[in-house]
Amino acid sequence: EADIYQTPRYLVIGTGKKITLECSQTMGHDKMYWYQQDPGMELHLIHYSYGVNSTEKGDLSSESTVSRIRTEHFPLTLESARPSHTSQYLCASISGWGNTIYFGEGSWLTVV
Amino acid sequence: GENVEQHPSTLSVQEGDSAVIKCTYSDSASNYFPWYKQELGKRPQLIIDIRSNVGEKKDQRIAVTLNKTAKHFSLHITETQPEDSAVYFCAASISAGYTGNQFYFGTGTSLTVIP
Repeated sequence: EADIYQTPRYLVIGTGKKITLECSQTMGHDKMYWYQQDPGMELHLIHYSYGVNSTEKGDLSSESTVSRIRTEHFPLTLESARPSHTSQYLCASISGWGNTIYFGEGSWLTVV
Repeated sequence: GENVEQHPSTLSVQEGDSAVIKCTYSDSASNYFPWYKQELGKRPQLIIDIRSNVGEKKDQRIAVTLNKTAKHFSLHITETQPEDSAVYFCAASISAGYTGNQFYFGTGTSLTVIP
């Protein structure tokens, strides 16, 4: 089924650990995004990509990095997690000509 | 760049009443305005959208209006039901062909429908 998948859905890790949040979409979309969202609060764009080998920083300063080696895959990496990184991370995608942005189910990260 | 403001941040209505959420945008080049609904613990999902060449669009109990001159658009929910309780986000997008579609989201409105 065409969708956008995120793993892990829930994660608790210790301060200083490295973590990669995975995002894959099976819709062949070119543009992909990562948003950070505290529960019920606004969406903050942290990274986006127009296609393979394209990555850009978003509006919110982030200590994370992304890569786009394959069209369907857009992982987000935190090299050294801190409690301030505790949040929900939403991956999203849109087709090149499309207008509808599709969101994944989110990854809830807690850093202790 | 584009700046989208959304009001109110929280809204409580009695079941059966109407709810209205308003957004303003700053960039006159924005030409696509979607609304997303996010239920507790779920992902945001598109519920209705409107393009700049249309003034109003309706889908059953929800409707969106757009005033390009004033640069504002609104979501209207009639005959509200408890399942309408959620956070609603407006967005503005400049669709510029294949590489377009940069989305700018509002800050969200938490709607509570009281049974």
